[in-house]
Amino acid sequence: EAAVTQSPRSKVAVTGGKVTLSCHQTNNHDYMYWYRQDTGHGLRLIHYSYVADSTEKGDIPDGYKASRPSQENFSLILELASLSQTAVYFCASSEWGQGGPYEQYFGPGTRLTVL
Amino acid sequence: GQQVQQSPASLVLQEGENAELQCSFSISTNQVQWFYQRPGGRLIGLSYIPGMKPTGKQTSSTVTKGRHSSLTISSSQTTDSGTYFCVLRGNYGNEKITFGAGTKLTIKP
Repeated sequence: EAAVTQSPRSKVAVTGGKVTLSCHQTNNHDYMYWYRQDTGHGLRLIHYSYVADSTEKGDIPDGYKASRPSQENFSLILELASLSQTAVYFCASSEWGQGGPYEQYFGPGTRLTVL
Repeated sequence: GQQVQQSPASLVLQEGENAELQCSFSISTNQVQWFYQRPGGRLIGLSYIPGMKPTGKQTSSTVTKGRHSSLTISSSQTTDSGTYFCVLRGNYGNEKITFGAGTKLTIKP
């Protein structure tokens, strides 16, 4: 079965501090994604990547950077964490076929609290 | 930009009843995916490309046509309680992905 893991599973950060969230997939998928979910809402796409060493902006990229050093790993970086970035962050991977993106496989999520 | 509207926002049913969740879009598409999430839990894909075997609940089915998609959960169980999201996916060359706000489903015993 497809596997996407995230670390850490939860984190408390201070305002202005740097936070790095990591994601690892063993699916051999080209596409990886970072989303944030706020309480009671759906997910919003922050960054995604379709090949190693390249990242693309999603719908809400401001305040976030992403890094894809290899096909298996995709990181989300908050250089200066802010209170508004408190949320649950999900990583996902997927393949891309002729008909469009295949199903996304999600990690368990990272709960980030910025104080 | 593309928009996704889900209804109802919440739904409470008795165990054994069928649940029907609705999703409408600002564009005509068949690139729709449904996800299930338990509170604080991982998102589980329920179905995607028409004709593909659902990877989640085998008692759920989806119909997507034009600007509308629906998810039906047959003979619901208490374990089906959670939040269901529909997701609008871009076609090749347009990787834009938009989530609906979700439908919170509660199945009572």
